[in-house]
Amino acid sequence: EDQVTQSPEALRLQEGESSSLNCSYTVSGLRGLFWYRQDPGKGPEFLFTLYSAGEEKEKERLKATLTKKESFLHITAPKPEDSATYLCAVQAEDQGGKLIFGQGTELSVKP
Amino acid sequence: DADVTQTPRNRITKTGKRIMLECSQTKGHDRMYWYRQDPGLGLRLIYYSFDVKDINKGEISDGYSVSRQAQAKFSLSLESAIPNQTALYFCATGADTQYFGPGTRLTVL
Repeated sequence: EDQVTQSPEALRLQEGESSSLNCSYTVSGLRGLFWYRQDPGKGPEFLFTLYSAGEEKEKERLKATLTKKESFLHITAPKPEDSATYLCAVQAEDQGGKLIFGQGTELSVKP
Repeated sequence: DADVTQTPRNRITKTGKRIMLECSQTKGHDRMYWYRQDPGLGLRLIYYSFDVKDINKGEISDGYSVSRQAQAKFSLSLESAIPNQTALYFCATGADTQYFGPGTRLTVL
């Protein structure tokens, strides 16, 4: 069964304190792994897509990496505006584009 | 203007009532999706549509129905709402990357 597990469930950081969020996945043929950011009361906002092990993508203070079993979202020198819930999702081959989501990591960055 | 819009944004209804949530998109994608989000359970797929004539059930379709009126419009209906359908509902569109609407907060009393 395709499955996505994110850890930790919640993470509190001080401004400038770098850290990483984990997304472990089990899927029968990975088509893509997606990271989204979700602010309270809003829809998920697309951040990155990773397609193959070894791939990395960056956007401002965020960097996403991918292995055959997990993905990391590294946050370098975070700011309070980075506070949000970060969602990881996988898309399996031959599944019509359906996304399977993890439960998310709620990140809080204090000034 | 937003690429994916949902109406209403908030709705309170009573058990047994029929309710429709609407979604429109201007991104020109054929594929559209409906998800619900519950605390601790993440986002789960209700229905998805590849085009106007192709509609498929997701993992939690019981109690829901959908209508694809046009390429740009995809509606979700609760035929007889029940309290455990209280949740955040999101519409999305896209092929590989999915782009989400702002959501509808539905409360069933």
